[in-house]
Amino acid sequence: EDKVVQSPLSLVVHEGDTVTLNCSYEVTNFRSLLWYKQEKKAPTFLFMLTSSGIEKKSGRLSSILDKKELFSILNITATQTGDSAVYLCADLINTDKLIFGTGTRLQVFP
Amino acid sequence: ETGVTQSPTHLIKTRGQQVTLRCSSQSGHNTVSWYQQALGQGPQFIFQYYREEENGRGNFPPRFSGLQFPNYSSELNVNALELDDSALYLCASSGPGQGYYGYTFGSGTRLTVV
Repeated sequence: EDKVVQSPLSLVVHEGDTVTLNCSYEVTNFRSLLWYKQEKKAPTFLFMLTSSGIEKKSGRLSSILDKKELFSILNITATQTGDSAVYLCADLINTDKLIFGTGTRLQVFP
Repeated sequence: ETGVTQSPTHLIKTRGQQVTLRCSSQSGHNTVSWYQQALGQGPQFIFQYYREEENGRGNFPPRFSGLQFPNYSSELNVNALELDDSALYLCASSGPGQGYYGYTFGSGTRLTVV
């Protein structure tokens, strides 16, 4: 059965801290791995990773994929209260559907 | 405002009833997917429509059905509602060639079944 597992489930940090969110997967017909940020309702797209070892960056966020070990990490440096959200990892498989993990809830306190 | 509009935003239904949720996509977005997100869980794929035809389905029973219309709107219908159908229902759409880079999620409909 296809599955995506995220850890930790919940994380509480102070502003300025650096966090690493983990995503491991076991899926058939893997195409890409995507990261989303969900603050209230609509998940918003962060990254799409297809190749191993190539880091993608956007401001304080970065992500990398390891297709051999079947995992990805999302790093957030110098966290801000606006980073508080649920971060979702999802695998895109050949049938064009996303298989999501349960998400990591990040809370950043001043 | 994401460009994908879902209605209603909240809904309360009684077990056994039927419900229709609506999604209005951006012009040109000919692919739409629907997801169910239970509290504390990640979204689960229900089905996808491409050019008004179902193009893939997840592990949901037949009482979950959908339609996509030429005006880039779509519907999710759920018959014989059960308590476990209580969830946030999300639609996501994209245009030709955009793939998942271009997927835009709506803000969802929160369905509560009592």
